[in-house]
Amino acid sequence: DTGVSQNPRHKITKRGQNVTFRCDPISEHNRLYWYRQTLGQGPEFLTYFQNEAQLEKSRLLSDRFSAERPKGSFSTLEIQRTEQGDSAMYLCASRGDRYTDTQYFGPGTRLTVL
Amino acid sequence: AQTVTQSQPEMSVQEAETVTLSCTYDTSESDYYLFWYKQPPSRQMILVIRQEAYKQQNATENRFSVNFQKAAKSFSLKISDSQLGDAAMYFCAQGTSYDKVIFGPGTSLSVIP
Repeated sequence: DTGVSQNPRHKITKRGQNVTFRCDPISEHNRLYWYRQTLGQGPEFLTYFQNEAQLEKSRLLSDRFSAERPKGSFSTLEIQRTEQGDSAMYLCASRGDRYTDTQYFGPGTRLTVL
Repeated sequence: AQTVTQSQPEMSVQEAETVTLSCTYDTSESDYYLFWYKQPPSRQMILVIRQEAYKQQNATENRFSVNFQKAAKSFSLKISDSQLGDAAMYFCAQGTSYDKVIFGPGTSLSVIP
């Protein structure tokens, strides 16, 4: 399978716990994006990487959120001290070089905070 | 700021008929791209069709075509010969060569057998 993969697919946690999600992009893609999608809404941009550099962060990304992409390969998104409002689908997408405009999405990680 | 608006939260179409989903956007960029993505229930988001803003010719992909009106900042999706498998959320989106894609709120399409 050469598509974007995300793990875990589902995560249930208690409020106040930390969670970490992983995204593995398409192997030759150097750009990686994180989005959050709540029920019935379109995805909202959170952050993106070009190789290992984090180039932009949304104001939606509070200081409880941190994302990394060591060595420009897979990426992790960590949420500390989760709140019920963090419950959402977290989507990862990847894209090739700047002349390739299409983002390819993974299946997402559905987070439920109790 | 970039914005994408989809004014139809829900649409329905009879199987084999044609349906058009509306989308308007706003951007100050001169070089940008427009997309329609499909997200079936509990399934992965996939690209349906894309359009480069500098191209006047409307994009087509089999039963899917767009009506791109650059001056009006309108980008509608037409689905011909609708099939049951077309039932999904459809998201209009706009992006540039350099960064993120901005999505609209989506239109839920039902296909009636």
